[in-house]
Amino acid sequence: GDSVTQMEGPVTLSEEAFLTINCTYTATGYPSLFWYVQYPGEGLQLLLKATKADDKGSNKGFEATYRKETTSFHLEKGSVQVSDSAVYFCALSDMEYGNKLVFGAGTILRVKS
Amino acid sequence: GAVVSQHPSRVICKSGTSVKIECRSLDFQATTMFWYRQFPKKSLMLMATSNEGSKATYEQGVEKDKFLINHASLTLSTLTVTSAHPEDSSFYICSARRRTNTEAFFGQGTRLTVV
Repeated sequence: GDSVTQMEGPVTLSEEAFLTINCTYTATGYPSLFWYVQYPGEGLQLLLKATKADDKGSNKGFEATYRKETTSFHLEKGSVQVSDSAVYFCALSDMEYGNKLVFGAGTILRVKS
Repeated sequence: GAVVSQHPSRVICKSGTSVKIECRSLDFQATTMFWYRQFPKKSLMLMATSNEGSKATYEQGVEKDKFLINHASLTLSTLTVTSAHPEDSSFYICSARRRTNTEAFFGQGTRLTVV
């Protein structure tokens, strides 16, 4: 079945450091790919998405490119802030799987000032 | 974005008792709600999908008699964990969407501890 694997955390960075959180997937069809973020005490929020190969999703300085050849959707940000501290979830949605969201385990990001 | 509220955020209950978790869409009507469960360091696992006014569809391996889901209105779905045991301790999250192929919005989750 479909699955998502993302790097284990926690990831601890200093402010203004470069961030990469790796995400790879397996899917039977042609999924859409998502990054969700969960700030402390809040629900998951959609951060960005990409619906087809080579699409780049971007939001709030975060970017991720849908790479079909490597089945990856790595999240990047050039300069993190303390306010980016949160849990980040990679997910896919596959029509072959009824468009249900399949999540990775989540990666905790801690940014120190 | 739309707001989904989940209540309670934390609950501790004794083994053998039942616990109800509510999921409300505050500013939109949700035709579909989803319930997820997350074990420590594991993925969010979809437990069931509920459509307003009809029976929930459970994922393989999820006991429907243990995890009762009701979606009685377009703004409320409930998950009742019946005869809870310590192995039911987990983080439960709901999400809601207006209609098929639209964005789903998530509640803040409920941490259930069964002692």
